[in-house]
Amino acid sequence: QLQLQESGPGLVKPSETLSLFCSVSGGSVSSTNYYWGWIRQPPGKGLEWIGSINYSGNTYYNPSLESQVTISVDLSKNQFSLNLRSVTAADTAVYYCARRTRIAVVDWFDSWGRGTLVTVSS
Amino acid sequence: QSVLTQPPSVSGAPGQRVTISCTGSSSNIGADYDVHWYQQFPGTAPKLLIYGNENRPSGVPARFSGSKSGTSASLVISGLQAEDEADYYCQSYDSYFNYVFGSGTAVSVL
Repeated sequence: QLQLQESGPGLVKPSETLSLFCSVSGGSVSSTNYYWGWIRQPPGKGLEWIGSINYSGNTYYNPSLESQVTISVDLSKNQFSLNLRSVTAADTAVYYCARRTRIAVVDWFDSWGRGTLVTVSS
Repeated sequence: QSVLTQPPSVSGAPGQRVTISCTGSSSNIGADYDVHWYQQFPGTAPKLLIYGNENRPSGVPARFSGSKSGTSASLVISGLQAEDEADYYCQSYDSYFNYVFGSGTAVSVL
């Protein structure tokens, strides 16, 4: 059974870089059928897609975050990562990693990690 | 401000039918992109409930159904149960913003 697990610091200072990792078990990030992505949820608010990556390193980012974001994949460790630069308090959120499944031209997020709360504060 | 608009809350008595709407535009739902629905309980990750407008993953009860028409989509819970009390989000693709989520709807069971 596929499992995704986020890891990283729970507290980041303003203007610094938020770095998170997502470890995948029960499946492989090398699979050609999937994209792997990050989604965040500020406390008490809705969901926001951050970006996605596939096994070959092709990335897609939310246009509103594109200048701040880098998503990478490490096939040898079966994990992918998120770097969000120059963070502010507005980046405080629960960050989820998720698998995106595509069939034909339709895709959806079918497996999610438990999420990790990252607080931006000095 | 979410690209897809949902009512903040809906409620119903046990056994009733409730409908959650998801309104988009010509750059997302109206552009014939599919709609998916997620269920989220407090403090937990969202769970896929409906994919491809109307399909239920294995294990999702048949009382959950989805549909799409024009620039909107709907999630129907037929025979509301106490365990259905949760937040529900729609999601689609947008030509400008890529993957977009609805604003979320809290379902309460009276």
